[in-house]
Amino acid sequence: KAGVTQTPRYLIKTRGQQVTLSCSPISGHRSVSWYQQTPGQGLQFLFEYFSETQRNKGNFPGRFSGRQFSNSRSEMNVSTLELGDSALYLCASSLYGTGRVETQYFGPGTRLLVL
Amino acid sequence: TQLLEQSPQFLSIQEGENLTVYCNSSSVFSSLQWYRQEPGEGPVLLVTVVTGGEVKKLKRLTFQFGDARKDSSLHITAAQPGDTGLYLCAADGGSQGNLIFGKGTKLSVKP
Repeated sequence: KAGVTQTPRYLIKTRGQQVTLSCSPISGHRSVSWYQQTPGQGLQFLFEYFSETQRNKGNFPGRFSGRQFSNSRSEMNVSTLELGDSALYLCASSLYGTGRVETQYFGPGTRLLVL
Repeated sequence: TQLLEQSPQFLSIQEGENLTVYCNSSSVFSSLQWYRQEPGEGPVLLVTVVTGGEVKKLKRLTFQFGDARKDSSLHITAAQPGDTGLYLCAADGGSQGNLIFGKGTKLSVKP
């Protein structure tokens, strides 16, 4: 079956703008998690959605938000972009998002560059 | 704050050599995962270890979970250029859908 897809793959924005990234999970998966990956900090958890509800949130400012639709597709939004938001944004899907032994499948990521 | 520390940060070796990378923490984890990430792609799960002292083998890769479930190692025998990538360890962050990642070991295997 098709893997996790993310659009767009690459994005260039300027400071102060906002951006919306999209993630389509594997068919049947109801949990979608978002991560930010930078060379300095590595992969950091942003938030997780399950059945259209945010169940868990990482330590990021309120400029980072997300939502999940009834078909499990998810979007994340970053408002008032800062240079430090330049990163690879990864989403991962799993059946229930229980974390402990359930496999998370990652998409290829959206590379965001803020100028 | 739970942290996973990986070492070495970078590793460049010749094809055919053996190597070990480490993932250490002061916290106890119920499970630990290893991922490999290639340039332009997302991480791909290699293995999940759940029992202290557990050893799992995946072809030339051997994974070990420490007895105290605070550390893990990944050993690659006779490395090949196709093993090149970023190796990440990750553990259950204690909340649903939340994985904590180490910063990774960037491995380069030269032919």
